[in-house]
Amino acid sequence: EDQVTQSPEALRLQEGESSSLNCSYTVSGLRGLFWYRQDPGKGPEFLFTLYSAGEEKEKERLKATLTKKESFLHITAPKPEDSATYLCAVQAEETSGSRLTFGEGTQLTVNP
Amino acid sequence: NAGVTQTPKFQVLKTGQSMTLQCAQDMNHNSMYWYRQDPGMGLRLIYYSASEGTTDKGEVPNGYNVSRLNKREFSLRLESAAPSQTSVYFCASSRGADNIQYFGAGTRLSVL
Repeated sequence: EDQVTQSPEALRLQEGESSSLNCSYTVSGLRGLFWYRQDPGKGPEFLFTLYSAGEEKEKERLKATLTKKESFLHITAPKPEDSATYLCAVQAEETSGSRLTFGEGTQLTVNP
Repeated sequence: NAGVTQTPKFQVLKTGQSMTLQCAQDMNHNSMYWYRQDPGMGLRLIYYSASEGTTDKGEVPNGYNVSRLNKREFSLRLESAAPSQTSVYFCASSRGADNIQYFGAGTRLSVL
């Protein structure tokens, strides 16, 4: 059974204080690892897909990295508008129909 | 750019009542999904449709039925609502090629 564990559950940062969110996963052959952002009262919004260990992707203040067991979402010099819940999901190689298994998310709050 | 549209946005039901949640996408995607999101549980897949004319059970299908009406529309039906079905329901769609899922804004359902 595919499993995704995200830590911490919640994180409070001051504006400009860099940090990282963790996503540990267990999957029988990884097809892809996905990061989403979810704002209160809205649906998840796609950020990144990573496919193989060593891969990195960046978007503004966010950088996602991938190893064989975990992924990190690094947030550099965050701003209050980065406050959201960040979700990690995996797709196994044997999965049909693009099925994803999601973690519970990390709720990030960035204070001005 | 509508993307994925869900109706209604909010609904209150009494135990035993039935209702259908509607979802439509205008991105010509092949695959569509229904999730529920509960505090501390993350996003859990209820049903999915890999392509028009096919549907499959996800992680938590009990108490639900689905219909893939055409390529655009995928509905979720609660035949006899129970308080345990109080949740936020999200519909998503994906092309399949890059496996990125795009989500609607959600339906907030309370069953009393």
